[in-house]
Amino acid sequence: GDSVTQMEGPVTLSEEAFLTINCTYTATGYPSLFWYVQYPGEGLQLLLKATKADDKGSNKGFEATYRKETTSFHLEKGSVQVSDSAVYFCALSESRNSGNTPLVFGKGTRLSVIA
Amino acid sequence: EAGVTQSPTHLIKTRGQQATLRCSPISGHTSVYWYQQALGLGLQFLLWYDEGEERNRGNFPPRFSGRQFPNYSSELNVNALELEDSALYLCASSSPTGVYEQYFGPGTRLTVT
Repeated sequence: GDSVTQMEGPVTLSEEAFLTINCTYTATGYPSLFWYVQYPGEGLQLLLKATKADDKGSNKGFEATYRKETTSFHLEKGSVQVSDSAVYFCALSESRNSGNTPLVFGKGTRLSVIA
Repeated sequence: EAGVTQSPTHLIKTRGQQATLRCSPISGHTSVYWYQQALGLGLQFLLWYDEGEERNRGNFPPRFSGRQFPNYSSELNVNALELEDSALYLCASSSPTGVYEQYFGPGTRLTVT
C-alpha cells in the first residue's frame, strides 16, 4: 500500500536558519503530494501541494518539489521565523473516478524555532 | 467562504457510552473524510463519504460508524467507548472538481474516562 516517510523530529532551529524536512513516498499510481501544518491546539492547514512530477508547490516562503525519480517531496524554507513553530505533515492522495483517496500521512515533524 | 466546521469542540464521555461528532464541509464540497489523531499514533484514516455513500473505511472496528446527509454534512458515531478512543477527531472535505485537496476542520477533542 501507499506510504509516506518523513524525518523524525523534533527539529530545533534558530530564527533565520534554513529549514529542510525530508519526505519520501511509496505509491502504486501517480499521487498528488501535500504538506500540511498543525499549530498548537489547532487542526491541519494545507501549506502547499504538487500534483505531478517536477511541480513546485510554494506558500509563505515554504517550497517543495515533486521528484518522481527519487520519490521525494522535501519541504524547504530559506529563513524560518518563531511563528513557523508547528508540526509539519507530508501526505499523499491518489485520484479515482469516485474522488480523491484518503490522505496517507507521514508521522509528522515537530519544528521549534528559537529567537 | 466558510471553512470546515466541527462540533462539539470538546466531548467528555465515560467508557461504554456513545459519542456523536458532527462535521459541515465547505460549500460545494461533496466528499467528507474522518481521521483520528491519537497521541503517539499520528493521523489515521477512519471513514470516507462521497455523495451520501461510504466509499472506504480505515482499519477501525465496526463500532466506529457514520453517515453523510443530503446536504453533505456528516456524523461520526463511536459506540461502546474505550479509553484508547481518546483522541482528536478531524474532519476534512474536498471538491468534486480540481485537484481535490482536502481542507480540515479544527477537530473535536474526545476524552474517554
